[in-house]
Amino acid sequence: QTVVTQEPSFSVSPGGTVTLTCVLNSGSVSTSHYPSWYQQTPGQPPRTLIYGTDTRCSGVPARFSGSILGDKAALTITGAQADDESDYYCVLYLGNGISVFGGGTKLAVL
Amino acid sequence: QVQLVESGGGVVQPGGSLRLSCAASGFTFSPYGMHWVRQAPGKGLEWVAFIRYDGLYKYYTDSVKGRFTISRDNSKNTLSLHMNSLRPEDTAVYFCARDNTGEQPYYFDYWGQGTPVTVSS
Repeated sequence: QTVVTQEPSFSVSPGGTVTLTCVLNSGSVSTSHYPSWYQQTPGQPPRTLIYGTDTRCSGVPARFSGSILGDKAALTITGAQADDESDYYCVLYLGNGISVFGGGTKLAVL
Repeated sequence: QVQLVESGGGVVQPGGSLRLSCAASGFTFSPYGMHWVRQAPGKGLEWVAFIRYDGLYKYYTDSVKGRFTISRDNSKNTLSLHMNSLRPEDTAVYFCARDNTGEQPYYFDYWGQGTPVTVSS
């Protein structure tokens, strides 16, 4: 069974930099998995941040960036702000129409 | 602007059925693939199903195969999810989401607000 793993929780100081990762148990994450990232606050639908590994959606601040780091997909927040405190999810496309979410990372800014 | 509005959620007994709908507006519905994504209480997001722009190809996560059916009516700009043999573990908020492309999943670019489903006796 394919599992996508994210750090369950992370904390960052205001103004600091944090990198969240997305690991595929069956092998390396590549651009062919079309990694995308979503931000969600309680009671709200997700907000799309990054798609196609590293492309920011319209209106997403430049402090959010996506990349492949080694064998993982990564979301980096540079200069974290208080309202970045949210849950973050990655999604990988496995082929044959199948997508899978990571378990999510709860980010605290404190 | 793009709007996706889910409806049809509610409380159903285990083994029961429910049909969710998602009304799309503010864009031309027919060229886009569509997804259902769910979120159990206090849990993470889970991809459920995808339907190609023309409705000819449908894909499901393993836990719902044979029980759920995704469909669409491009003439009515509507996405549906027929859920049969419901289990307590299907309890979740169900979101419809538009894919940025039509033929295979790429990423979710718009989301609805979700409709809650509770499976309980």
